[in-house]
Amino acid sequence: DGGITQSPKYLFRKEGQNVTLSCEQNLNHDAMYWYRQDPGQGLRLIYYSQIVNDFQKGDIAEGYSVSREKKESFPLTVTSAQKNPTAFYLCASSISWDQPQHFGDGTRLSIL
Amino acid sequence: DAKTTQPPSMDCAEGRAANLPCNHSTISGNEYVYWYRQIHSQGPQYIIHGLKNNETNEMASLIITEDRKSSTLILPHATLRDTAVYYCIVRPFSMNTGFQKLVFGTGTRLLVSP
Repeated sequence: DGGITQSPKYLFRKEGQNVTLSCEQNLNHDAMYWYRQDPGQGLRLIYYSQIVNDFQKGDIAEGYSVSREKKESFPLTVTSAQKNPTAFYLCASSISWDQPQHFGDGTRLSIL
Repeated sequence: DAKTTQPPSMDCAEGRAANLPCNHSTISGNEYVYWYRQIHSQGPQYIIHGLKNNETNEMASLIITEDRKSSTLILPHATLRDTAVYYCIVRPFSMNTGFQKLVFGTGTRLLVSP
């Protein structure tokens, strides 16, 4: 079954720790994205990658980092510099940047 | 900086058609209309998109007015599983403009009742 897998579904972090969220897709899509969603709000773009070994900052990249070493993987690291990391994080992919995006089921990050 | 206006909530009886409106009066000629929905605690799901012609797929129909300033998403026979937040998004497409992000507003919360 083709799709986008995000893991874990729930994640807890202590203050001052970095944490990495996984996103894997087996759709052979070139483009991948990370979004953040806060309660009652729309999605905000953190980072995006149009092709392997290339990525760009979105609207709220501060305190986050990404890598795109493989086509199928686009992990997001939430660093200790992110002051308010508690949120619902969504990964998406698309065949190319101009085509519809397909989303994973998200990771809910909470600070202990 | 959402460029669309949607009602915050709508109700629909199960089995009836759900007609979700969207106003995009400032849409440009190269902008597509996209619809996504998000069921509680899940990622958004792509539904349909169109430029100026009406579109239909296995999930829904998209009706775009002739002046392109508004559109309606139609779920022909709503079920309880269609209860979700529905997002209408306009997004330019041009190979000259490069990457254009999706801008999610707050959408319409559709409640389908028995």
